[in-house]
Amino acid sequence: GAVVSQHPSRVICKSGTSVKIECRSLDFQATTMFWYRQFPKQSLMLMATSNEGSKATYEQGVEKDKFLINHASLTLSTLTVTSAHPEDSSFYICSARGPSASPGELFFGEGSRLTVL
Amino acid sequence: AQSVAQPEDQVNVAEGNPLTVKCTYSVSGNPYLFWYVQYPNRGLQFLLKYITGDNLVKGSYGFEAEFNKSQTSFHLKKPSALVSDSALYFCAGRESSNTGKLIFGQGTTLQVKP
Repeated sequence: GAVVSQHPSRVICKSGTSVKIECRSLDFQATTMFWYRQFPKQSLMLMATSNEGSKATYEQGVEKDKFLINHASLTLSTLTVTSAHPEDSSFYICSARGPSASPGELFFGEGSRLTVL
Repeated sequence: AQSVAQPEDQVNVAEGNPLTVKCTYSVSGNPYLFWYVQYPNRGLQFLLKYITGDNLVKGSYGFEAEFNKSQTSFHLKKPSALVSDSALYFCAGRESSNTGKLIFGQGTTLQVKP
């Protein structure tokens, strides 16, 4: 099946620094990727839709200047948390639309746990 | 508004007993419905999906789900639960706009006790 790789799996940073999380589709091309945020024991909150070669579409209430998304190639999308603060600590998960043979199906990365000190 | 609901925060089952995790949906048009499982500090793993065809869908690890249009439900089932099935389960539906965005339920924690 389609594989989505997310890196790093865990990152700890100091308040005020920026952190980049990568999401790669390993064996298929993903024109669209999605970034989610998950708080402990809660559901996934969609942050933005990342489209290859164009600007990301952010969900209401998500600060686009704080959560920078770049989808520069058909296999890579990055999420950069800028000027991170402790309240940005969370579990971030990306997903990619599967190949055309799997309509509607999303494949998820393993997630990245961000801890801001 | 489109939505997916999982009415139970937690389901407790004894090992070997059948399990059911409930899901109801409100999605316009023909729904695409999914079940995912999440283990601690991991991403979501796909279990099964309903797009069209037979109402009973069989998926990974012995799970199955039944699509019921009249009750707008898509309950996840397994005939005999394993302790290793203990995890967080998410039901999801796809928006009819075909953006690929999934609407997730709140999640249900399944606890299987030996």
